[in-house]
Amino acid sequence: LAKTTQPISMDSYEGQEVNITCSHNNIATNDYITWYQQFPSQGPRFIIQGYKTKVTNEVASLFIPADRKSSTLSLPRVSLSDTAVYYCLVGSKIIFGKGTRLHILP
Amino acid sequence: GAVVSQHPSWVICKSGTSVKIECRSLDFQATTMFWYRQFPKQSLMLMATSNEGSKATYEQGVEKDKFLINHASLTLSTLTVTSAHPEDSSFYICSAIDSGVLGNQPQHFGDGTRLSIL
Repeated sequence: LAKTTQPISMDSYEGQEVNITCSHNNIATNDYITWYQQFPSQGPRFIIQGYKTKVTNEVASLFIPADRKSSTLSLPRVSLSDTAVYYCLVGSKIIFGKGTRLHILP
Repeated sequence: GAVVSQHPSWVICKSGTSVKIECRSLDFQATTMFWYRQFPKQSLMLMATSNEGSKATYEQGVEKDKFLINHASLTLSTLTVTSAHPEDSSFYICSAIDSGVLGNQPQHFGDGTRLSIL
């Protein structure tokens, strides 16, 4: 199973763009990359999923380089409500890593 | 779409009590559901994979007689914490994958159940 590595925590300010990178050096050919967001005392919520290049939806973009050994979740113009833990999962992996604790400052 | 309902959202009970938690996929069918537990400031820990119509698959270190899982229909899985003790107090979360959609699908999570054993 592909192991993922993310920064433990990040701070940013309201209105800024935030990029969270996940490393997954052992990603398999058929693996998709999925990002989840979790607020305290809630279940994780699906944000975005991609296989290669770039995927964009109404809340985020996901950038995946050609070698697919990493991916970057981009959150445009963050607000205080984006303070949460963000998890990157690869393939059918159902094992969560430690995630990235994002703290948005006013 | 893809809503997972988990009930109850919180429960407080005495030591020795058995507690049942329900996980329902409201608008899709799920042959596979997952049960996690999460301690404060920690990540989700997979406990077991619930398979419709068959026995659950438990992760190493999780007592199957302690945490009973039943997945009797395509929309419902239950987790029963038997003879609960204070160390079982935790946040329990379920997730489901839409079995009606082909290809790589994300998990859809319930909002969790806060279990407190006195």
